[in-house]
Amino acid sequence: GEDVEQSLFLSVREGDSSVINCTYTDSSSTYLYWYKQEPGAGLQLLTYIFSNMDMKQDQRLTVLLNKKDKHLSLRIADTQTGDSAIYFCAETPTSGYNKLIFGAGTRLAVHP
Amino acid sequence: GAVVSQHPSWVICKSGTSVKIECRSLDFQATTMFWYRQFPKQSLMLMATSNEGSKATYEQGVEKDKFLINHASLTLSTLTVTSAHPEDSSFYICSARDRRELNYEQYFGPGTRLTVT
Repeated sequence: GEDVEQSLFLSVREGDSSVINCTYTDSSSTYLYWYKQEPGAGLQLLTYIFSNMDMKQDQRLTVLLNKKDKHLSLRIADTQTGDSAIYFCAETPTSGYNKLIFGAGTRLAVHP
Repeated sequence: GAVVSQHPSWVICKSGTSVKIECRSLDFQATTMFWYRQFPKQSLMLMATSNEGSKATYEQGVEKDKFLINHASLTLSTLTVTSAHPEDSSFYICSARDRRELNYEQYFGPGTRLTVT
């Protein structure tokens, strides 16, 4: 089946690194995504990784993909208060490349 | 680039009336648009896939006659919630794929908050 799971909440101190984890069930997923949603707003694509990669870095963001364990993580270095938001992991399943299957979202709270 | 707009951003309607939400791709053409529904503090649930010039594909459990989707052009899809009821109150988000891109990326609109009284 198609399922994406995330922990629901993460609290970090400003300046520390944040690591948000995600597991998925479709081993043939082509792309995996991280989206950010601020209160009352739509989703902003942060980064994505193709399934044949195991790491992607983009400024403060590092994505790690472990295909064997079907585990995806997003690391935010030097976390700032502006990073407080909900982060969604998503995959494109083999049942429909047009679709996105979202996790429940991880609420990141950054405190001083 | 790759901007998607939604109109209205919020709407309040009375139970039994219909409300139309527009989703536009502003600087690209989208053969495929998607409609999602998000309940408070929950994830996005795909409602339907809207294909330009053809009928929408609805996800299991979504009533076609209640949530009417029209994708009449390469830049506009509309979602009409017919005979709305309070349980239809939700945050509706659309997304669009750029027909030129091959990475299946979806660009999301800012969402429309519907409140049915």
